[in-house]
Amino acid sequence: DTGVSQNPRHKITKRGQNVTFRCDPISEHNRLYWYRQTLGQGPEFLTYFQNEAQLEKSRLLSDRFSAERPKGSFSTLEIQRTEQGDSAMYLCASSLYNQPQHFGDGTRLSIL
Amino acid sequence: DAKTTQPPSMDCAEGRAANLPCNHSTISGNEYVYWYRQIHSQGPQYIIHGLKNNETNEMASLIITEDRKSSTLILPHATLRDTAVYYCIVRVAGTGTASKLTFGTGTRLQVTL
Repeated sequence: DTGVSQNPRHKITKRGQNVTFRCDPISEHNRLYWYRQTLGQGPEFLTYFQNEAQLEKSRLLSDRFSAERPKGSFSTLEIQRTEQGDSAMYLCASSLYNQPQHFGDGTRLSIL
Repeated sequence: DAKTTQPPSMDCAEGRAANLPCNHSTISGNEYVYWYRQIHSQGPQYIIHGLKNNETNEMASLIITEDRKSSTLILPHATLRDTAVYYCIVRVAGTGTASKLTFGTGTRLQVTL
């Protein structure tokens, strides 16, 4: 069990640029989740996959956000035309069906 | 998912038991109680979960009241490394909407010497 891995750990970008984050889940886990966390708040759910199928998207996930899990293994989260309000920690978690979710240490996004 | 209420902060002396309360008065019969913690600059870490029976693992014990309207997470011998924000979450074990975790603002536990 190597844990959930997220890259990069930190990303600094200018407003208006596109960014992409990667998540590698625990190998046997079929479910993968994305959350966003702002300072002083708990994580907020964005979306989740079971295998390669995206089964739910939060209303927080605007049209500028897209997530993929093409082969049911790793996942990417892309934000297009970044805005100041996108500055946050983006967390990925994985689980085997309804077993407890295990989180990575996140990607911290800073928008200049 | 039912909402939870936790105190915003608590202190505990190192070596003593830390008892973290959580109210979930609107919990449904098929909803589990989950506890996670988040140490600064890390992702949330799963601790324990239960439905109605008390549960214990190597990290902690979970005590759920008989009416299931509240629970207590017990760290039997707190250490400085247990300083973290602790989240109590109620969740239906299922697919779709039920899969997500709904975090509140948690309890910030400070363990001191």
